[in-house]
Amino acid sequence: AQKITQTQPGMFVQEKEAVTLDCTYDTSDQSYGLFWYKQPSSGEMIFLIYQGSYDEQNATEGRYSLNFQKARKSANLVISASQLGDSAMYFCAMRAENTGFQKLVFGTGTRLLVSP
Amino acid sequence: GAGVSQSPSNKVTEKGKDVELRCDPISGHTALYWYRQRLGQGLEFLIYFQGNSAPDKSGLPSDRFSAERTGESVSTLTIQRTQQEDSAVYLCASSFSQNSRGYTFGSGTRLTVV
Repeated sequence: AQKITQTQPGMFVQEKEAVTLDCTYDTSDQSYGLFWYKQPSSGEMIFLIYQGSYDEQNATEGRYSLNFQKARKSANLVISASQLGDSAMYFCAMRAENTGFQKLVFGTGTRLLVSP
Repeated sequence: GAGVSQSPSNKVTEKGKDVELRCDPISGHTALYWYRQRLGQGLEFLIYFQGNSAPDKSGLPSDRFSAERTGESVSTLTIQRTQQEDSAVYLCASSFSQNSRGYTFGSGTRLTVV
């Protein structure tokens, strides 16, 4: 079974500053993938970034980077140069990648508020 | 279509009534997923389709919940004899293949049982 833990219910950051959203996971799978999604107040789920468990380098996508520490089972999202439009819920998720069935297991989310 | 389309966007129903929620995935996406999101919570997996078949229905909360999919297209999630605890946003996602990194989500159906 897989489990995702996001311990920060809410985070505040000032515009243009960097912020780190925490995510730890638990799995017995050797091969797995980690995802971050953004959910604005409109409700849609927007894919941000993906990290494979065997990827040697941390994933980056524009202002988003994933700080992957495999031994600690953590996959924190770093948002650089925060913008007002970054205010949203952020979900960490994972899936096993050694089986034929690939459901995503989500954490409870972190609400990020970016202030001017 | 250009994205995953869900209908209706909002549904208010009386306790005990049946409801049907519809999901139109992106054309060509073979995998389709249903999730439930209660207020302030994360997403709970309900069921997954690969083509017409549903390899894992273990996320369905009770036998009041069922889902079907026609070809590699529309899926319907049916909730019978709705209860107040069924109130949630029901999200559908589709992906090109089982191993795809890209899951495209719809905007969801907000179900309120009164």
